[in-house]
Amino acid sequence: EVQLVESGGGLVKPGGSLRLSCAASGFTFSSYSMNWVRQAPGKGLEWVSSISSSSSYIYYADSVKGRFTVSRDNAKNSLYLQMNSLRAEDTAVYSCARGGGSYPGTGRFDPWGQGTLVTVSS
Amino acid sequence: QSVLTQPPSASGTPGQRVTISCSGSSSNIGSNTINWYQQLPGTAPKLLIYSDNQRPSGVPDRFSGSKSGTSASLAISGLQSEDEADYYCAAWDDSLNGWVFGGGTKLTVL
Repeated sequence: EVQLVESGGGLVKPGGSLRLSCAASGFTFSSYSMNWVRQAPGKGLEWVSSISSSSSYIYYADSVKGRFTVSRDNAKNSLYLQMNSLRAEDTAVYSCARGGGSYPGTGRFDPWGQGTLVTVSS
Repeated sequence: QSVLTQPPSASGTPGQRVTISCSGSSSNIGSNTINWYQQLPGTAPKLLIYSDNQRPSGVPDRFSGSKSGTSASLAISGLQSEDEADYYCAAWDDSLNGWVFGGGTKLTVL
């Protein structure tokens, strides 16, 4: 069974940092692009970042560019999101999702993890 | 403001057919395929339609997708109470070099 499990969320003060992880299982992780998507409380889905299967292509939403860094470790079947200079507006459930192929710009998000809640507040 | 435009709400009675629209531009829907996601209350989003009109295994054929130019639609026929959920369209945007989502449509089954 294909499974994605996020961890690392929590409460952090504005300006602080947090590192999210996404553990993948049930598929050949190194063959797929991966994505981070967030959903603020009561709001819609917002794409955050994508990374190709070999980490050659990385893309960010303008809202997080320069503050967030996506990475992956294919040997550990894991995806990461390093979040720095966090703001109140970054408060959301962060979910990882498998892409449709090796390149981030094609395919679809399937499946999704359940997400981990990040709360930025003083 | 979302790059893809969806109506915030839609409704129908059991058995009815409803459609949800998604409007974009030449850099996203006009040049790339569109996907639709269903998010039931309190759950993670689930892929409903991919590549404009393809259904993943397990998705009932009551759900169908179509696209024309820079707009797309999701149709649900034989509406059921369990279809009550939020629906999102998404596509890659060549100008932004990123994925864009619609704002979501909350479907209510009356």
